[in-house]
Amino acid sequence: GQSLEQPSEVTAVEGAIVQINCTYQTSGFYGLSWYQQHDGGAPTFLSYNGLDGLEETGRFSSFLSRSDSYGYLLLQELQMKDSASYFCASDSGNTPLVFGKGTRLSVIA
Amino acid sequence: DADVTQTPRNRITKTGKRIMLECSQTKGHDRMYWYRQDPGLGLRLIYYSFDVKDINKGEISDGYSVSRQAQAKFSLSLESAIPNQTALYFCATSDKARLEDTQYFGPGTRLTVL
Repeated sequence: GQSLEQPSEVTAVEGAIVQINCTYQTSGFYGLSWYQQHDGGAPTFLSYNGLDGLEETGRFSSFLSRSDSYGYLLLQELQMKDSASYFCASDSGNTPLVFGKGTRLSVIA
Repeated sequence: DADVTQTPRNRITKTGKRIMLECSQTKGHDRMYWYRQDPGLGLRLIYYSFDVKDINKGEISDGYSVSRQAQAKFSLSLESAIPNQTALYFCATSDKARLEDTQYFGPGTRLTVL
């Protein structure tokens, strides 16, 4: 089977940096994606790591280590609008993505 | 216009009723998915379809059925709704030509079964 573990909740201060970790157990692993979901909204794609290392997109970065079956999403210069749920998802090629249960990020002033 | 649309957006029904949730997409993607979301449980896959002639069960298909009427349309049916099917339902699409299989979600349907 496939499973992903991520913290259920994280709280951080506006302007700070926060890291959301994700560990996975996936056969035939291809890559790790991250999605953001605001309350009442739909999940939206943030980033994808197919190779080890860091991918940067503006204030958001995502990291993957295949040898450790581990990845993280790094959010810098936190803003109140970053308060949302964040999901990691594993990609195993010709099967659907498997999503983690999500991490609820609360940004406080 | 939204690329992935779902109808209805909200629905309240009674136990035992048949319900159909519809999904349409204009992205031209071959792959379509139905998920349900419950608080604290993340996104759980109900059914998926990789092309018009392909239908596959997901993690929680019991009590649900689907129909892929065309590349652009994928419907989810609850033959006899029960209260524990109360949830937020999302349709999603992806393009198999892309390595990362990015999924694009519809706005969701909030279903309440009384």
